[in-house]
Amino acid sequence: AQSVTQLDSQVPVFEEAPVELRCNYSSSVSVYLFWYVQYPNQGLQLLLKYLSGSTLVKGINGFEAEFNKSQTSFHLRKPSVHISDTAEYFCAVRRGSSNTGKLIFGQGTTLQVKP
Amino acid sequence: NAGVTQTPKFQVLKTGQSMTLQCAQDMNHNSMYWYRQDPGMGLRLIYYSASEGTTDKGEVPNGYNVSRLNKREFSLRLESAAPSQTSVYFCASSTSDREGRQPQHFGDGTRLSIL
Repeated sequence: AQSVTQLDSQVPVFEEAPVELRCNYSSSVSVYLFWYVQYPNQGLQLLLKYLSGSTLVKGINGFEAEFNKSQTSFHLRKPSVHISDTAEYFCAVRRGSSNTGKLIFGQGTTLQVKP
Repeated sequence: NAGVTQTPKFQVLKTGQSMTLQCAQDMNHNSMYWYRQDPGMGLRLIYYSASEGTTDKGEVPNGYNVSRLNKREFSLRLESAAPSQTSVYFCASSTSDREGRQPQHFGDGTRLSIL
């Protein structure tokens, strides 16, 4: 069975500092990986996705993530955060051969950007 | 751009009452999903519909029923609400493809409290 673990429930960081949100997954088959962001009282928005090819994926709002197959990780990074990046971030995995589109989500990481 | 629309946005019920959460998408997507979001648990799949006319159970289907009314609409029904069903409910949709590569698009959620 697949599972996703987000290693930090909360990450406080000062504005303009770099940040990394960690995500590890378990799967014995190929997977597709996604990061979503949820702003307060809103639904989830796609930040970026890894399907195949280059292991470094760039997304919206200056975020990027690196797929590491040997470490089964897909960590999200941003070199300089803004106050507006304060939100909850979810890592999700989908089995590569799935035709149902079912996603397995991690528990979420709350990014708190302080001035 | 409406995307995925959920109604109502907020609801308070008494234990034992029933209600239906509505979801509609205008993106001509084949697949639709219902999730619940609880603190520290991420999003968990309740039911999904891979295409019009089909529905399947997800991780946490007990206490819920769904109807895929047509391609646009996918409703979630609580027949006899319980306090454990207090949660934020999200509907999502995606294009179907054999490889499951397409991201899901989310509504803004329904915040449901069961007293």
